[in-house]
Amino acid sequence: QAVVTQEPSLTVSPGGTVTLTCGSSTGAVTSGHYPYWFQQKPGQAPRTMIYDTNDKHSWTPARFSGSLLGGKAALTLSGAQPEDEAEYYCLLSYSAVGVFGGGTKLTVV
Amino acid sequence: EAQLVESGGGLVQPGRSLRLSCTTSGFTFGDYAMTWVRQAPGKGLEWVGFIRSNVYGGTTEYAASVKGRFTISRDDSKGIAYLQMNSLKTEDTAVYYCTVYGEIDYWGQGNLVTVSS
Repeated sequence: QAVVTQEPSLTVSPGGTVTLTCGSSTGAVTSGHYPYWFQQKPGQAPRTMIYDTNDKHSWTPARFSGSLLGGKAALTLSGAQPEDEAEYYCLLSYSAVGVFGGGTKLTVV
Repeated sequence: EAQLVESGGGLVQPGRSLRLSCTTSGFTFGDYAMTWVRQAPGKGLEWVGFIRSNVYGGTTEYAASVKGRFTISRDDSKGIAYLQMNSLKTEDTAVYYCTVYGEIDYWGQGNLVTVSS
């Protein structure tokens, strides 16, 4: 089974910009991996912020964007807010089998 | 408003079986694939498996860690998805979520399964 890698932790200042990445042990991440990004806050179920590389839900703030960058999936947060502090997980699909990354704990301080 | 409610969790001994149910309402259950995701205490998310809608054959896919031990099924007439877990191991201890994600995004509240002697 493939291994999906994320930065364990990142810190961003309020109003700042940060990029979280999601790599694959099998090689470059492509749109065919249908990258998802989930946000999870303590004691809550996850929720999807980005799906299929760069599609957003109605609740996804405009400051979040998804892309492919340097062979990885990326989640960029431009203009971080205190409420964005959370754990972020990427999910990649390998022939319909999903694999989560280990998660990135994002601190806004 | 869509709701997903997991049930059937609890304490079980290693090697035994348990079946989780995910009872849904508020959306057209039969139109969507249903996925199970788990989270061990203090750990990250782990994708367990999913079942396609019957339009796509109702077929299943599983993570390597549970393949051959876990089985996902669905009853579209009742709007319920099931996760049958056999030959449970201590490392299966986790909160189990049922979810529909993609163009829609619905999650249950999670159901704790503890595998311990």
